[in-house]
Amino acid sequence: DAGVIQSPRHEVTEMGQEVTLRCKPISGHNSLFWYRQTMMRGLELLIYFNNNVPIDDSGMPEDRFSAKMPNASFSTLKIQPSEPRDSAVYFCASSLNDEKLFFGSGTQLSVL
Amino acid sequence: AQRVTQPEKLLSVFKGAPVELKCNYSYSGSPELFWYVQYSRQRLQLLLRHISRESIKGFTADLNKGETSFHLKKPFAQEEDSAMYYCALLTDKLIFGTGTRLQVFP
Repeated sequence: DAGVIQSPRHEVTEMGQEVTLRCKPISGHNSLFWYRQTMMRGLELLIYFNNNVPIDDSGMPEDRFSAKMPNASFSTLKIQPSEPRDSAVYFCASSLNDEKLFFGSGTQLSVL
Repeated sequence: AQRVTQPEKLLSVFKGAPVELKCNYSYSGSPELFWYVQYSRQRLQLLLRHISRESIKGFTADLNKGETSFHLKKPFAQEEDSAMYYCALLTDKLIFGTGTRLQVFP
């Protein structure tokens, strides 16, 4: 299995632009998580899907952030409009029945 | 409140020294705890979980319910142990601490 696949690996954009991060979970996994990692706050859970349904989005910073999971094999995290303080590494992770978590390699986002 | 606390942002030791990365949790139920490690430029990966009572790469962690702690220990640190370490608590979701960066100097 290729593991959790995230794209792009790096994204550099200007403030105000829309950013879309993509994630392909491990086939068969039924839970998907989006995390954000910064030096100041460590790893924060943004949103969590179970069977494609958003279960807990209390970690989403504000309305500029949205996440979708149209099917079991794909999820997106969108930031519109982006701001410099959104610069971070965004991780996607998947698991089966909330057991062992498998992380993607992350997307390094820089908003100038 | 469900919470994981890692009080140290950075821990620096010399090679061969003992290491203890602290983790405290807050949870009213029966906790299931994990340690994750992220080496430079690599993905986050599971290091160990308390249920399996295992030792991985010389690391061990014991769940102390009285002190609500799950500290990660290694008797003799190696340079290749330098990484970010995250303690995590599994409830209906996985809750991470803010992480501790371990630096092992030669």
